[in-house]
Amino acid sequence: EIVLTQSPGTLSLSPGERATLSCRASQSVSSSYLAWYQQKPGQAPRLLFYGASTRATGIPDRFSGSGSGTDFTLTISRLEPEDFAVYYCQQYGTSPLTFGGGTKVEIK
Amino acid sequence: QVQLQESGPGLVKPSQTLSLTCTVSGGSISSGSYYWSWIRQHPGKGLEWIGYIYYSGTTYYNPALKSRVTISVDTSKNQFSLKLSSVTAADTAVYYCARADGGGNYFDYWGQGTLITVSS
Repeated sequence: EIVLTQSPGTLSLSPGERATLSCRASQSVSSSYLAWYQQKPGQAPRLLFYGASTRATGIPDRFSGSGSGTDFTLTISRLEPEDFAVYYCQQYGTSPLTFGGGTKVEIK
Repeated sequence: QVQLQESGPGLVKPSQTLSLTCTVSGGSISSGSYYWSWIRQHPGKGLEWIGYIYYSGTTYYNPALKSRVTISVDTSKNQFSLKLSSVTAADTAVYYCARADGGGNYFDYWGQGTLITVSS
């Protein structure tokens, strides 16, 4: 099983600042089969990226995804009030599908 | 726009079987290209993939839960279902159904989730 470790656990930032979230895999994620999700309280996760860097439909371009192998990054260039949430990475290259533990982006 | 909706009892007794159904609207389960999935989230915790099913009935389960999980599909009703046997308090979680893109197995549409509590 591929274990995904997200860091930091919590990121305290102000609106307008840049957020950089990390997702590290215990072994290489084949074909960059890595997705990112955003989850707000009481809501289901929302797909942001798949294939490590392909933005899902309707996702603003202030969000970007990058990385390959074992190291992946989600960047939010300028935080908007609606971006404060928990973010999860997920690998789908190897069964079982697994998720990271999440990074909470909170308002400073 | 594809929509998924979970349904089922919110309270299950220990040792019993948890049963949930997901109704899909805005698209056909039989259209192919997708896997119909169950994912759970323990209170305040991360996400755990339970398993998924193709419209043909082919299933894939998380080995950690495989001995207790059955996922089935009813294409005539555009529904798929989850059964989890011998539940304990550790199975208390929000259960989501979701659509996984068949080409990649990332989850592009989710139900709103339903909290299942295991308690006597």
